[in-house]
Amino acid sequence: AQSVSQHNHHVILSEAASLELGCNYSYGGTVNLFWYVQYPGQHLQLLLKYFSGDPLVKGIKGFEAEFIKSKFSFNLRKPSVQWSDTAEYFCAVNKKNTGFQKLVFGTGTRLLVSP
Amino acid sequence: GAVVSQHPSWVICKSGTSVKIECRSLDFQATTMFWYRQFPKQSLMLMATSNEGSKATYEQGVEKDKFLINHASLTLSTLTVTSAHPEDSSFYICSARDVRDTFSNLNSPLHFGNGTRLTVT
Repeated sequence: AQSVSQHNHHVILSEAASLELGCNYSYGGTVNLFWYVQYPGQHLQLLLKYFSGDPLVKGIKGFEAEFIKSKFSFNLRKPSVQWSDTAEYFCAVNKKNTGFQKLVFGTGTRLLVSP
Repeated sequence: GAVVSQHPSWVICKSGTSVKIECRSLDFQATTMFWYRQFPKQSLMLMATSNEGSKATYEQGVEKDKFLINHASLTLSTLTVTSAHPEDSSFYICSARDVRDTFSNLNSPLHFGNGTRLTVT
């Protein structure tokens, strides 16, 4: 069965610090990879996704993620965080071309950015 | 963008009562909606796949008689937690896929609702 690991459950950073959130998945086949963000009191929103092509994916709000197939990883990065990035971040994986997706989520990483 | 409305956003109920949670796609039609549950400090877990006009498909370990799902129209799916108990207290989230994406892009991401926090006392 697929699983997704997010090793950092809580991260606290100061504004302008750089961010990297780890995501590793266990699935040998071809996958799609996603990062979702949930701001306090809001719904899950798609931050970025990787389907194929360039393994370095640019998302919204200055986020990017790099797919390293050999490491089964899809880490999320941002060079300089802002207070407004305080949220919970979820990595998710699904099998490619399954149609009605069954996303497998990680446990989430709660990011707190102090001003 | 596509909006999924989930109602209520939070609910407190007494043990033994039933609670209905609605999931609506506001500006698109969804033949398929997904219901997830998130316990504290755990990941979102898929509970069931709701199919318009047919029976829902439940994941292993999810009791279909306890979590009743009805997908009566292309814009509405409901999850009813029957005879709720304190261990059912959780965060429930629905998601939906635009029916147009179903055929044009099998890999299109889902649209999520805001979630419903259920507390059973």
